[in-house]
Amino acid sequence: AQKVTQAQTEISVVEKEDVTLDCVYETRDTTYYLFWYKQPPSGELVFLIRRNSFDEQNEISGRYSWNFQKSTSSFNFTITASQVVDSAVYFCALKETSGTYKYIFGTGTRLKVLA
Amino acid sequence: GAVVSQHPSRVICKSGTSVKIECRSLDFQATTMFWYRQFPKQSLMLMATSNEGSKATYEQGVEKDKFLINHASLTLSTLTVTSAHPEDSSFYICSARVQFRGTYEQYFGPGTRLTVT
Repeated sequence: AQKVTQAQTEISVVEKEDVTLDCVYETRDTTYYLFWYKQPPSGELVFLIRRNSFDEQNEISGRYSWNFQKSTSSFNFTITASQVVDSAVYFCALKETSGTYKYIFGTGTRLKVLA
Repeated sequence: GAVVSQHPSRVICKSGTSVKIECRSLDFQATTMFWYRQFPKQSLMLMATSNEGSKATYEQGVEKDKFLINHASLTLSTLTVTSAHPEDSSFYICSARVQFRGTYEQYFGPGTRLTVT
């Protein structure tokens, strides 16, 4: 069965610290997609990244970086030099490539960056 | 990028009344839209898949007679919460699916916060 696990319920860091949010997934599909979304207090989901199962290259975008490792079924997200504006709930999601192309969301990690 | 809107963004209704939430794809057509529900401090849970011109497919445990979904056009899906009760208070998010580079992507609306008093 498809499943996404975000074991960290809540993380607090002090501004400028680096923080890594973990995501572990389970799927039977050989082709799949992984996502990270940010949900600030307003509630609107903000798309951060999409990665397909054939592309294991790590990606960096400004202070954000992602580490995709198929061997451990993990897709971790690191924020470097965190800022107060990074405070939000972050969701990892898995997309099936068959049927209805449903998204399966993890339970989210609430990140609090303290000034 | 593709834009999905929801209306209203926030609604308060009395117990026993019905409330309709609209989801629109603004600059693209979506044959499929999804409805999610998110309770406070919880994840998004898929409620139903809405296909234009046909009946919605509901996830296990979601009452189809309570959550009526209509996808009458390629740019509009509506979710009606009938006979709402306080336990229906939640954040409802829709998404619209569009084909992109050989696969399907979902674009999410900003959500509708429903409070039933």
